[in-house]
Amino acid sequence: GAGVSQSPSNKVTEKGKDVELRCDPISGHTALYWYRQSLGQGLEFLIYFQGNSAPDKSGLPSDRFSAERTGGSVSTLTIQRTQQEDSAVYLCASSQDSRGHQPQHFGDGTRLSIL
Amino acid sequence: GIQVEQSPPDLILQEGANSTLRCNFSDSVNNLQWFHQNPWGQLINLFYIPSGTKQNGRLSATTVATERYSLLYISSSQTTDSGVYFCAVGVWGQGGKLIFGQGTELSVKP
Repeated sequence: GAGVSQSPSNKVTEKGKDVELRCDPISGHTALYWYRQSLGQGLEFLIYFQGNSAPDKSGLPSDRFSAERTGGSVSTLTIQRTQQEDSAVYLCASSQDSRGHQPQHFGDGTRLSIL
Repeated sequence: GIQVEQSPPDLILQEGANSTLRCNFSDSVNNLQWFHQNPWGQLINLFYIPSGTKQNGRLSATTVATERYSLLYISSSQTTDSGVYFCAVGVWGQGGKLIFGQGTELSVKP
């Protein structure tokens, strides 16, 4: 596609439920990143994928968070047993490489609200 | 870890004015990008600029990597320039992940 596509754009769920957030990167981009933006923490890195290499999961805040990238394209971020502090905007970005030599382009994000 | 500090935190301008936003970082970087988050929350990449100077229309950016800072210049500001400007850096050996500053919130008044 022309840009990074994320779905859903908004998600409201009850505490304790699992949620799945989807990201479709720009066609041809091999690197895919997840970040989240919250009022208290600003913009934080969560995880990134580069091709078939093992993902860098160093930013995931707890083991309730996981992500996968199938076929080197679409990625899904899963949050299990959601907590209120998980409320944030989850942003996905892609770039042509993951070594930091190319600009990152962001999707519009998924606004997650935990009741 | 690396620290990224942006200044000023807030800025109010009259339309047509010029401004300079600053980003200081505490360690060597291999990646520096400037983003604009518009009032609708969209995050737009303005510059990929780990060193040197780039210009794009009314915007330009300069990074002096040896002195660990970057500047974003906005000339002849317009109301559509309003939003939050973020500086983000990447560190050698940590791939492409970005560490973001806290942003500068710019409001341009007509």
